[in-house]
Amino acid sequence: GQNIDQPTEMTATEGAIVQINCTYQTSGFNGLFWYQQHAGEAPTFLSYYVLDGLEEKGRFSSFLSRSKGYSYLLLKELQMKDSASYLCAVYNTDKLIFGTGTRLQVFP
Amino acid sequence: DSGVTQTPKHLITATGQRVTLRCSPRSGDLSVYWYQQSLDQGLQFLIQYYNGEERAKGNILERFSAQQFPDLHSELNLSSLELGDSALYFCASSAQSGGAGDTQYFGPGTRLTVL
Repeated sequence: GQNIDQPTEMTATEGAIVQINCTYQTSGFNGLFWYQQHAGEAPTFLSYYVLDGLEEKGRFSSFLSRSKGYSYLLLKELQMKDSASYLCAVYNTDKLIFGTGTRLQVFP
Repeated sequence: DSGVTQTPKHLITATGQRVTLRCSPRSGDLSVYWYQQSLDQGLQFLIQYYNGEERAKGNILERFSAQQFPDLHSELNLSSLELGDSALYFCASSAQSGGAGDTQYFGPGTRLTVL
């Protein structure tokens, strides 16, 4: 079957660092995506991975290990506007499968 | 702004009715995808069209249907509506037919409420 697991909720303080983990078990793998979604709004693209490794984009970094079926999204210097859901999604053969997302709340 | 547009933004209707949701992809994109997001649930893939043809299908109910027109806009038709169909419906588009590296960009969504 297809399974993508993320923590349901996380909280952190403004200026802190938070790591959001994603583990997956899918019958195929054609890449892993991270999206950010503010409540009631459209998901917006953050990163895409097809090879193992770490990538940094400003305050956001993401990592993939295909052999472990594991990815994480690292958010540094948290800001209030980072309060949102973070969706991990795996492209499996012919469709994008989303996890239920991690709701991050950033407190002052 | 992703460049994907969806209308209407909100839709309120009654059980048993039929509605049509509309999506226009980003300029140059050939694929359109439809997703359903219910309260506290993840995005559920419904169906994909590529250049007018059905490309991939997810857990789309038989009461739901979609099509992509020659100008590449797409419509999602929902019929015999039930209370459980209340959800956010997102459309996404991508440049190619999907797969590795073909990033999907999402529209603002249509919030459907079935009373």
